[in-house]
Amino acid sequence: GESVGLHLPTLSVQEGDNSIINCAYSNSASDYFIWYKQESGKGPQFIIDIRSNMDKRQGQRVTVLLNKTVKHLSLQIAATQPGDSAVYFCAETQYHTGKLIFGQGTTLQVKP
Amino acid sequence: NAGVTQTPKFRILKIGQSMTLQCAQDMNHNYMYWYRQDPGMGLKLIYYSVGAGITDKGEVPNGYNVSRSTTEDFPLRLELAAPSQTSVYFCASSYSMGEAYEQYFGPGTRLTVT
Repeated sequence: GESVGLHLPTLSVQEGDNSIINCAYSNSASDYFIWYKQESGKGPQFIIDIRSNMDKRQGQRVTVLLNKTVKHLSLQIAATQPGDSAVYFCAETQYHTGKLIFGQGTTLQVKP
Repeated sequence: NAGVTQTPKFRILKIGQSMTLQCAQDMNHNYMYWYRQDPGMGLKLIYYSVGAGITDKGEVPNGYNVSRSTTEDFPLRLELAAPSQTSVYFCASSYSMGEAYEQYFGPGTRLTVT
């Protein structure tokens, strides 16, 4: 079946550096891709999304890039802070279903 | 607004017991969802609802049932609990499936079946 997956289970970065978290997806019919942040013991929290007709979208300290040619999605976090330590999930969805398909997650560890 | 609330936070069940996980939202969202998250994994959709009186199956519906009698509440029923249902359960809601698609998640219910 269709799946969304992440390349690395754990990413360790130094505080202040930029972080890049990657995601591969397999369903070219998806309309939206979404990044969620999940802190320990909490539910996922929406970070940013991108539509399938866009290549790049920027938020506050975060940028999402979409490469439909190779079915790749990335989340860039600028000037990573200790509060960014969490598990990050990419998810895909299609308009007509409204259902999210989540990847396995990447744990981001920020070293002081 | 309280957002999405879930009760209980933790529960231990014996094999074969039944229980209902409660979920409520006060944002007047039409869409509600139940997910389960196994250790080290992403979330898998169990059931979802596009409005009161309407529910549909997700990826992993077996062993669960839902109902949606009001816009606010979306309880998840486990019948004949099995160890494979040990997981963290998240409820979520969203306004629509269209523009600015965003689901708001509750804090989760940690369920152990022994």
